[in-house]
Amino acid sequence: DTGVSQDPRHKITKRGQNVTFRCDPISEHNRLYWYRQTLGQGPEFLTYFQNEAQLEKSRLLSDRFSAERPKGSFSTLEIQRTEQGDSAMYLCASSAGGENYGYTFGSGTRLTVV
Amino acid sequence: AQSVTQLDSHVSVSEGTPVLLRCNYSSSYSPSLFWYVQHPNKGLQLLLKYTSAATLVKGINGFEAEFKKSETSFHLTKPSAHMSDAAEYFCVLGADYKLSFGAGTTVTVRA
Repeated sequence: DTGVSQDPRHKITKRGQNVTFRCDPISEHNRLYWYRQTLGQGPEFLTYFQNEAQLEKSRLLSDRFSAERPKGSFSTLEIQRTEQGDSAMYLCASSAGGENYGYTFGSGTRLTVV
Repeated sequence: AQSVTQLDSHVSVSEGTPVLLRCNYSSSYSPSLFWYVQHPNKGLQLLLKYTSAATLVKGINGFEAEFKKSETSFHLTKPSAHMSDAAEYFCVLGADYKLSFGAGTTVTVRA
């Protein structure tokens, strides 16, 4: 297993368009997390899944954002009607359990909304 | 509320000298604490973690951190900085099955 994979690495989109990102976690990890990191800031929690169930969503996740994890494997994060303020690095992480188990992060998807 | 505060936004050291990155935390119960490093255009890499075992935690690349409950601190140190240590460092608190990141400390290393 090569770790957490994210696709695409970079995405440039026009304001108002929809975008979708994919995350493939480490295969035996049942927890999957999405974070957003803007320039000069630490990553901020967006949402997480245990298997296929979405257990928590941050207030940062507006109605334009939706995340899924069908079958408890890969996950997608969709942003509808993108805005310039959505420009950020979107990070995915997976874990075998709670925080004591540690988290493995992917390299992220950098979104630029023009 | 669970949170971490990194006391320095930028630290500059000479190669071969010690590095100290300061972090204070706030938690209503015994926390899990981590330090992550992020090199330019690279993913986040775990340096070390504290999960209520030994208070002095050794990590990769010669880094270590000491958990001090009385001071609510988890400072990161390295005895001798290397040029490859230039990066962004995040102090992170784990609670309620998710991580809360500090704002980060940028480390530059002078030759």
